[in-house]
Amino acid sequence: DAGITQSPRHKVTETGTPVTLRCHQTENHRYMYWYRQDPGHGLRLIHYSYGVKDTDKGEVSDGYSVSRSKTEDFLLTLESATSSQTSVYFCAIRTGLDNEQFFGPGTRLTVL
Amino acid sequence: GQNIDQPTEMTATEGAIVQINCTYQTSGFNGLFWYQQHAGEAPTFLSYNVLDGLEEKGRFSSFLSRSKGYSYLLLKELQMKDSASYLCAVFDQTGANNLFFGTGTRLTVIP
Repeated sequence: DAGITQSPRHKVTETGTPVTLRCHQTENHRYMYWYRQDPGHGLRLIHYSYGVKDTDKGEVSDGYSVSRSKTEDFLLTLESATSSQTSVYFCAIRTGLDNEQFFGPGTRLTVL
Repeated sequence: GQNIDQPTEMTATEGAIVQINCTYQTSGFNGLFWYQQHAGEAPTFLSYNVLDGLEEKGRFSSFLSRSKGYSYLLLKELQMKDSASYLCAVFDQTGANNLFFGTGTRLTVIP
């Protein structure tokens, strides 16, 4: 499982509330990613990180922010959740071999 | 930008062979991945092709033609547990070398 955990695994929240999702890795990989997965859209990149305090936007970054204060943790924050952010969120790390990405178990977020 | 196409659904019989196609258009191609995703679970890595040709790994093989922007995943001796979604993803070296995913092919294996 490449040592990736996500928390929480499930969350239900209300529109307008802030939400933070955590991704934790144990193998000291440099690159970490946050994706969302929705029916009909496949996996879409929200934000990624290429080192501590080094982050950049993906294709669907509006409404999301990220932080990476240490190598092992990559946080995704929804400042004010909306119903359109109801989704399954996956964190991933990229290994140095063939650039393949390994995914965490996912977080199912429901915004009411 | 990137454009990745694969069939939405396929059905095949246990013990048979199935081929899942993927076509792509991307400005900075640097490899193609196939992932398997069972319902309610995370995607898991199956294969990686960066050069033209066939890569074989047990019952699964993956083929790439860069000139045609085409790949396929071949699954042999299908088993019921192969029922899953199969995701084609292109590694694009423009920007930050990120993966761009197709919408996935849901494969159902029937007895």
